[in-house]
Amino acid sequence: AQKVTQAQTEISVVEKEDVTLDCVYETRDTTYYLFWYKQPPSGELVFLIRRNSFDEQNEISGRYSWNFQKSTSSFNFTITASQVVDSAVYFCALSERGFQKLVFGTGTRLLVSP
Amino acid sequence: GAVVSQHPSWVICKSGTSVKIECRSLDFQATTMFWYRQFPKQSLMLMATSNEGSKATYEQGVEKDKFLINHASLTLSTLTVTSAHPEDSSFYICSAIVGTLDYNEQFFGPGTRLTVL
Repeated sequence: AQKVTQAQTEISVVEKEDVTLDCVYETRDTTYYLFWYKQPPSGELVFLIRRNSFDEQNEISGRYSWNFQKSTSSFNFTITASQVVDSAVYFCALSERGFQKLVFGTGTRLLVSP
Repeated sequence: GAVVSQHPSWVICKSGTSVKIECRSLDFQATTMFWYRQFPKQSLMLMATSNEGSKATYEQGVEKDKFLINHASLTLSTLTVTSAHPEDSSFYICSAIVGTLDYNEQFFGPGTRLTVL
């Protein structure tokens, strides 16, 4: 069965600090996809990244970076030089090959203070 | 990117009434749509998979007679919460699938906040 664990319920940082959000997943399939979504207070989900199981290259997009390690079944997300606008709930999610539905983690609430 | 809309954005209703939520893919055709539910400060949980022209597939524990799903066209799926009760108060989010060669992209609607008094 699929499972996504986000152990950090809530993280508080001060602006300009770096912060890493952890995500650990479980799946029996060898082909799967991992995602990160941002959910601001408005509620709308904002897609951040998708990564397939065969691509372990780390990715950087501006202040965002992702570290995918199959050996530890982790897909961690780092925000560099955090800003107040980064305050939101962040969800990690998993879908297996052939299955389009997503299994979400419990989310990590990030609060960035000025 | 593909746009998915939901209507209404929020709704307040009395206990015992039925509420219909619409999910539309605005600029693409979606053979499959998903309905998720999110209780306050909790994660998104899949309720059902809606396929155009066929019956929806419900996740374990979701009452199909209470949450009626109709996917009558390639751009519209509706979720009707029948005989709503306060415990049905939640944030309902739909998503629609766009197929590509190697992966089906999933686009989310903005959500509908339901409050049952």
